[in-house]
Order: sequence, then structure tokens, then C-alpha cells
Amino acid sequence: EIVLTQSPGTLSLSPGERATLSCRVSQSISSSYLAWYQQKPDQAPRLLIYGASYRATGIPDRFSGSGSGTDFTLTISRLEPADFAVYYCQHYGTSLTFGGGTKVEI
Amino acid sequence: QVQLQESGPGLVKPSETLSLTCTVSGYSFSSGYYWGWIRQPPGKGLEWIGTIYHTGSTYYNPSLKSRVTISVDTSKNQFSLKLSSVTAADTAVYYCARSAAAMYYIDVWGKGTTVTVSS
Repeated sequence: EIVLTQSPGTLSLSPGERATLSCRVSQSISSSYLAWYQQKPDQAPRLLIYGASYRATGIPDRFSGSGSGTDFTLTISRLEPADFAVYYCQHYGTSLTFGGGTKVEI
Repeated sequence: QVQLQESGPGLVKPSETLSLTCTVSGYSFSSGYYWGWIRQPPGKGLEWIGTIYHTGSTYYNPSLKSRVTISVDTSKNQFSLKLSSVTAADTAVYYCARSAAAMYYIDVWGKGTTVTVSS
């Protein structure tokens, strides 16, 4: 079973700062099969990134994804007030599993 | 624009069967894509439950497989979830969702519906 571990659990930053979120996978995976989602309170998750680095439709370019093998990163270059939320990584392909999430708070 | 809407009882008694339906609008259900269910217990992360194709092929989370049935009604543009023998651990927000393949990222989500398991 593939396990995704996200760190840190909580990231406290200010608007305008850079956010770097980590997703570590328990075994090496193809970078084609890693996605990132944003979830705000009382809302469904929203797809941000798929294939580790491809932005979904309508996602601003301040969001970027990178990584390979077992280590993946979501970077938000300059935080805007709307970006404070919980972020989840997801592995897909052979199974469908989510990380535990990182909360980005002000 | 495709939209998904979950419906069903918000309260289910322990040991009974949870039943939810997802209605798809703005898209011809039989044209493709895969349709699934994901849940989120209060204050916790996301868990994939299962996925179905419009032909009826199903894919389930191994940890839930013995209790889950997902079915499709193409005439109504709907798919449904049944989860049997529920306990308090099944209390969660249940989302229906769309993906381009059985084990794939999810590009469209429903708003979610809260199901509480309690007597």
C-alpha cells in the first residue's frame, strides 16, 4: 500500500510570502500520477495540479508543482488571501490515496 | 458545465445501510468518464471509496470493498453508493466526483453531503 506523508502539518505565513508544501511517497511512483488539491472550509476540494507539474484549468501560475520518485512539492510563489486553505496531495494510477493534508494559515 | 449533486439521508442508524445518489447534469453520462465517491470524516482527510464507469465496471477501495456497492442508472444520469453495516466511523461528508479514468485525479466534485451514523 502506498502511503503519502505531507509536511508540515501547518504552515503559518503572511500574504505575499512563498509557501512550500511537501508530499513524500512511501515508494517511488511515476511523476505522471501525483495531483494536488486545495480545500477551503465547507467546500469540496479543487484540483490544482496533476501529473506532478501540470496546472489544472483556471489555476493561477503562482501555483506550481514539482518532484519525482518519492518527493513532491507544491509551491505557491506569493500567497494571496484566497490561498489560505488545506492542501492535499494524491497518488493515482495503481491506487487512489491521499496525503493527510497541510493547512496554510495566516 | 458539468455539475454533480449528492442526495440521500443525512442520518443513518448503526448496522444499517447508507444510500446516496449523485445526479450528473450538463454532461451526457454515457459519453465517457468515470464516476466515484470520496468521503471525509469530520476534521480528517480524504478517503476514496470507489469508482464506476457508465458500462457498470466498478473499482473499490480494498479496505471498504466488502461493504460497498456502486451502481449506475444511465437513463437518469445518476450513480449511487450503498455502504452496509455502518458504524460511527462512517460518519463523514460524502462527495461524488468525476475522473477521466478509474484510478485518476478528480477534476469535478460535488458539493458534498454530510452523513451521520447515530442511533
